[in-house]
Amino acid sequence: NAGVTQTPKFRILKIGQSMTLQCTQDMNHNYMYWYRQDPGMGLKLIYYSVGAGITDKGEVPNGYNVSRSTTEDFPLRLELAAPSQTSVYFCASSQRGQGNYNEQFFGPGTRLTVL
Amino acid sequence: AQTVTQSQPEMSVQEAETVTLSCTYDTSESDYYLFWYKQPPSRQMILVIRQEAYKQQNATENRFSVNFQKAAKSFSLKISDSQLGDAAMYFCAYRSLRTGTASKLTFGTGTRLQVTL
Repeated sequence: NAGVTQTPKFRILKIGQSMTLQCTQDMNHNYMYWYRQDPGMGLKLIYYSVGAGITDKGEVPNGYNVSRSTTEDFPLRLELAAPSQTSVYFCASSQRGQGNYNEQFFGPGTRLTVL
Repeated sequence: AQTVTQSQPEMSVQEAETVTLSCTYDTSESDYYLFWYKQPPSRQMILVIRQEAYKQQNATENRFSVNFQKAAKSFSLKISDSQLGDAAMYFCAYRSLRTGTASKLTFGTGTRLQVTL
């Protein structure tokens, strides 16, 4: 199993450009998440999904969009990139089971710089 | 909403010594999980240890152990016999068990641990 994979690893965008960060998991997990990590800070939740076709906002959703058409994929779309979106983006997934312990597995991250 | 606070931005420990990283959290819930994650320079998030709130016994994983004080809402991580490979950012995280929260994690701001010879 590859686990959670993210592409690209690095990207530089100009202000106003758009891009999609890709995330794929091969563990058949129901839950998927997008976090951002600003320099010297913890991870903050952008969006999450509890299954194909179902997404919801997290703590910092402004400037982003997501979709979940399959169990495996959970792309994050940045429209009109701004310098404030310079960050490291992590995708994660976990199995469903509210009362059970289900570890959240993280991808390797995408470092995005907006100039 | 839950909050997680790590009041030590940086810590340093000598190799083979013991260090304790602090974490406090705020919640009105009685059932939840707490975690410590390690983030080395590679950026990969690595789960170090977890604690179920309903368990009174403190979790241990080899050289890593926690001191979980539920009433005080405190969750510290002790690293014994520190090794150079322990140098990393350490994040404390909270996960609610309330229905509908989708196992989301709330992270603290992290503590950077330096290990010196």
